[in-house]
Amino acid sequence: AQTVTQSQPEMSVQEAETVTLSCTYDTSENNYYLFWYKQPPSRQMILVIRQEAYKQQNATENRFSVNFQKAAKSFSLKISDSQLGDTAMYFCAFTIFGNEKLTFGTGTRLTIIP
Amino acid sequence: GAVVSQHPSRVICKSGTSVKIECRSLDFQATTMFWYRQFPKKSLMLMATSNEGSKATYEQGVEKDKFLINHASLTLSTLTVTSAHPEDSSFYICSAGVNTYNEQFFGPGTRLTVL
Repeated sequence: AQTVTQSQPEMSVQEAETVTLSCTYDTSENNYYLFWYKQPPSRQMILVIRQEAYKQQNATENRFSVNFQKAAKSFSLKISDSQLGDTAMYFCAFTIFGNEKLTFGTGTRLTIIP
Repeated sequence: GAVVSQHPSRVICKSGTSVKIECRSLDFQATTMFWYRQFPKKSLMLMATSNEGSKATYEQGVEKDKFLINHASLTLSTLTVTSAHPEDSSFYICSAGVNTYNEQFFGPGTRLTVL
């Protein structure tokens, strides 16, 4: 069975600072996808970034980037130049290639302080 | 693109009644739809996976007769909470899957309150 662990229940940073959210996972599979989803107060789940396990290059999307360490089974999210709109719950998620079921971590509540 | 809608967004019902929640993929055909339940400040708990035209696959511990799922088309899935009780009060979220990158697109959720 796959597990996803987010060890930081809550974090807060000042606006414009950089913050890193941690995620580790456990699997015996070799081909899989990793995701970071954002859930703002509206509770609409929004995909932030995706990483294919077969790609060594870390994914980036504007201010969001990941540090994917496959051997260590680590998948952290870095938010640069944080903005007030980044305040949300962030969920790390995992899915095996060919199986659409997502396994979610417990989430990190991120607060950006003005 | 890739918009998923849910209806209703909020529903309040009396104990013992049934409530139906609709999930639609508006601009794409979903190979698979998923239903999640989320308790306050908690993660998403997968309830069931449904494919068009076939029976839903329920996760362990989810009552099939309590949470009826119908996947009538590639763009519509419904979740019916039968004989609802206060403990069924929760936030229910659907998502629609596309094979590309195993990605799921989420609906805005439905808050169910059972009095």
